[in-house]
Amino acid sequence: GENVEQHPSTLSVQEGDSAVIKCTYSDSASNYFPWYKQELGKGPQLIIDIRSNVGEKKDQRIAVTLNKTAKHFSLHITETQPEDSAVYFCAGEGQAGTALIFGKGTTLSVSS
Amino acid sequence: DAGITQSPRYKITETGRQVTLMCHQTWSHSYMFWYRQDLGHGLRLIYYSAAADITDKGEVPDGYVVSRSKTENFPLTLESATRSQTSVYFCASSGGNTIYFGEGSWLTVV
Repeated sequence: GENVEQHPSTLSVQEGDSAVIKCTYSDSASNYFPWYKQELGKGPQLIIDIRSNVGEKKDQRIAVTLNKTAKHFSLHITETQPEDSAVYFCAGEGQAGTALIFGKGTTLSVSS
Repeated sequence: DAGITQSPRYKITETGRQVTLMCHQTWSHSYMFWYRQDLGHGLRLIYYSAAADITDKGEVPDGYVVSRSKTENFPLTLESATRSQTSVYFCASSGGNTIYFGEGSWLTVV
């Protein structure tokens, strides 16, 4: 089955800097790679996703890149703000392409 | 727009007791999921369901039972709670690729 590895586990940046979180996956048949943001005491929420037929997708200050050959994908946050502080999870498709298999999460801290 | 709701939000129970966590969604999504979240492990899939009366095991199903008699409900039962089942449990649903999560149920087994 799918295995998703996520790095780093913690990341501290200054406000205005960029943050990059990287994930690798094992199942070359996976085609869908979402990123979720989880704020304290809440459930994870989808912030951006990418499918295997594109290499990059942007939405304002966040972007995701995908390298299918190397089986890795990354989340890029530019001009970070204190409200970006949260736990971020990457995921890949699990069994039968339905349930998601998540990485272990990255705790991002943005200090002002 | 209620979305997906979980109850109870917080529960303390004793070892060996049966506990049921409820999950209800108002979107008529076909897929529903239960994940548990633990420090150092991220989110791990317990069970999922593709439709009413269809359920399947995830990564960590042992000690849990699920049912799906109606599309909108997907309860998770711990038949005999153990301390290792202390965790935050998230129910989720999906009508396509995007999975939407509930707010979580904090369960402590003492």
